[in-house]
Amino acid sequence: DAGITQSPRHKVTETGTPVTLRCHQTENHRYMYWYRQDPGHGLRLIHYSYGVKDTDKGEVSDGYSVSRSKTEDFLLTLESATSSQTSVYFCAINPNRDHEQYFGPGTRLTVT
Amino acid sequence: SQQGEEDPQALSIQEGENATMNCSYKTSINNLQWYRQNSGRGLVHLILIRSNEREKHSGRLRVTLDTSKKSSSLLITASRAADTASYFCATDQAGTALIFGKGTTLSVSS
Repeated sequence: DAGITQSPRHKVTETGTPVTLRCHQTENHRYMYWYRQDPGHGLRLIHYSYGVKDTDKGEVSDGYSVSRSKTEDFLLTLESATSSQTSVYFCAINPNRDHEQYFGPGTRLTVT
Repeated sequence: SQQGEEDPQALSIQEGENATMNCSYKTSINNLQWYRQNSGRGLVHLILIRSNEREKHSGRLRVTLDTSKKSSSLLITASRAADTASYFCATDQAGTALIFGKGTTLSVSS
C-alpha cells in the first residue's frame, strides 16, 4: 500500500470520548489527506496537509482537528466523538497536489 | 458537495463483457482520475487524464474526457470476476483538493 499505514485499524468508542487516528507514511510525500467514507456519500475530505504544520479544512471538517508535526505522521483527532462520526476513515498521500493519491488500508471507527 | 457523479450507481455483467461507467462534473478541472476499491480495502489509482487530453489507455482500461460536456467515461474491456469492485472518479480543480464522486459498484459474474 505504497508505504502508508493507519492505526488503529478498528476502534469502538463511546460518545463523548476523544479519539486519535494515526496515519504514517514512509514515502516522504508532501501532501497527506484524511477522508471519511459513508454509504451513499462516497469519500469526503475532512482535512489535508501540504507540509509540516501546514493544514487546511476539507468539506466535512466540523468536529475534527488534525496535526502534522513530522513529515511522516498525520493525526486526526475527534475531540468528543459522536455517533455521526461512525465511519471508515482513510488516509492518503501524494508528492504533489495534482498527482495520483495513494491510500492507506482504512480505520473502521464505531461510536456507540 | 460532490463534484463528480458516477453513472450508473450499480452495474452487473458477465465475464468477458465490457463495462462502461460515466462521470459528470460541474466546474473546470485540471485533471480527472479514476480509482478502484475492492470491498473492505483502500482505493487504488487506475488512471489520470489531464484536461488537455481526450483519451487514455492502460491495459484493459480506456478513459475518455470531454471537457465541453464536463464528462468522462471508463471502459473496462473483457471483464473478469476480479474486476468486481467499486469505481470512483475524482476531479482536481484549481485551488482545491481532489473531490470524489459516490462511485459505481461493478459486479462481474462468471
